Amino acid sequence: DTAVSQTPKYLVTQMGNDKSIKCEQNLGHDTMYWYKQDSKKFLKIMFSYNNKELIINETVPNRFSPKSPDKAHLNLHINSLELGDSAVYFCASSPSRADNSYEQYFGPGTRLTVT
Amino acid sequence: AQSVSQHNHHVILSEAASLELGCNYSYGGTVNLFWYVQYPGQHLQLLLKYFSGDPLVKGIKGFEAEFIKSKFSFNLRKPSVQWSDTAEYFCAVTYSGNTGKLIFGQGTTLQVKP
Repeated sequence: DTAVSQTPKYLVTQMGNDKSIKCEQNLGHDTMYWYKQDSKKFLKIMFSYNNKELIINETVPNRFSPKSPDKAHLNLHINSLELGDSAVYFCASSPSRADNSYEQYFGPGTRLTVT
Repeated sequence: AQSVSQHNHHVILSEAASLELGCNYSYGGTVNLFWYVQYPGQHLQLLLKYFSGDPLVKGIKGFEAEFIKSKFSFNLRKPSVQWSDTAEYFCAVTYSGNTGKLIFGQGTTLQVKP
């Protein structure tokens, strides 16, 4: 059973289009994240949701809008795609503990290519 | 600013050589420390983690790391690497009160020659 899954795995689209990436976790975690990995493989957090509530919103263009219909799903919608959005997007999940002593489990990633 | 620095960007070793990858983090209070590995074309997998207690932690596949608080370091080690260890290695930190935000280092590409 896949713990954290993402669809699609690959996404090729043209500039200006709107696209969505979906993420689902079956671990029973209540916190989910989106990370962006750029062409130099640097990973940076974009968003985090805890029980459907946005708790982390890094400096990300407002063309990116996360949506969490329930605590097992966190989707990422991107409007007006730009060349610079080309990257690998990773979803992750974790349980929540008051002392922050938890690990995050990552999905397989979605490679987005904007042409 | 909270940050993580990995000193080695690209490491090339022969099989059976010993490995040490450096990781330093900026001061920011209580931290949790992680090493993740990304094999070619795959997702991130946790190698090991440090939350508290014994500063020498052992992970999967023979990896270990030592937390040295005075040096703000969490270096990854393996006594004898294998060709299958070829991958990207990421050090990451969460700071207390930071709502679980993982801050990653730049990554180290390890290439093991058979």
